[in-house]
Amino acid sequence: QITLKESGPTLVKPTQTLTLTCTFSGFSLSTSGVAVGWIRQSPGKALEWLSLIYGNDDKRFSPSLKNRLTITKDTSKNQVVLTMTNMGPADTASYYCAHRERSSFDNWGQGTLVTVSS
Amino acid sequence: QTVVTQEPSLTVSPGGTATLTCASSTGAVTSGHYPNWFQQKPGQAPRALIYTTTNKHSWTPARFSGSLLGGKAALTLSGVQPEDEAEYYCLLYSGDGWVFGGGTKVTVL
Repeated sequence: QITLKESGPTLVKPTQTLTLTCTFSGFSLSTSGVAVGWIRQSPGKALEWLSLIYGNDDKRFSPSLKNRLTITKDTSKNQVVLTMTNMGPADTASYYCAHRERSSFDNWGQGTLVTVSS
Repeated sequence: QTVVTQEPSLTVSPGGTATLTCASSTGAVTSGHYPNWFQQKPGQAPRALIYTTTNKHSWTPARFSGSLLGGKAALTLSGVQPEDEAEYYCLLYSGDGWVFGGGTKVTVL
């Protein structure tokens, strides 16, 4: 059974850097073709794909956010970490991580709400 | 950057059929865009329904099906149930990464 869970701060101040951790079980990032992605959703808005990392350390980023995003993995801990710099009010959102395999984002975490406010 | 467009809303009667579409600003949607479809109910995380255009997950109800239709990806709900009322999102691979559509709010009435 694949599970993912996001963790991190619920409140960050404008200009700060956000660090979110996705802790997963039921699969290995060492498996070929497997990846973990990050998606966010601002309140009342659509989903927005952010980033993705494969087990071979291949990384992809949303073109509109690539200058602000970093994604890393710790295969031994079954964790993927997303950092987003220079947070602003528009970054207030629920952030989800998801398992990706065979071009499918099939299993998602429950999401974590991050509010940007001073 | 690629923009993915969906119908904002759609109303369907119980037992009826609804077809949602997903268009790309770069041209016709093909299997190379690996279309995915998700269902999201209020307060819940999205749930995957369809991947690579037509493939269902083990938990996807049989009444949901995916296809390519007139240059767009499509999700068809046949024999709509009240519990199908939700927001539906498509996701397309764009080369740089992945792009979600704006979502379609399906109302069962």
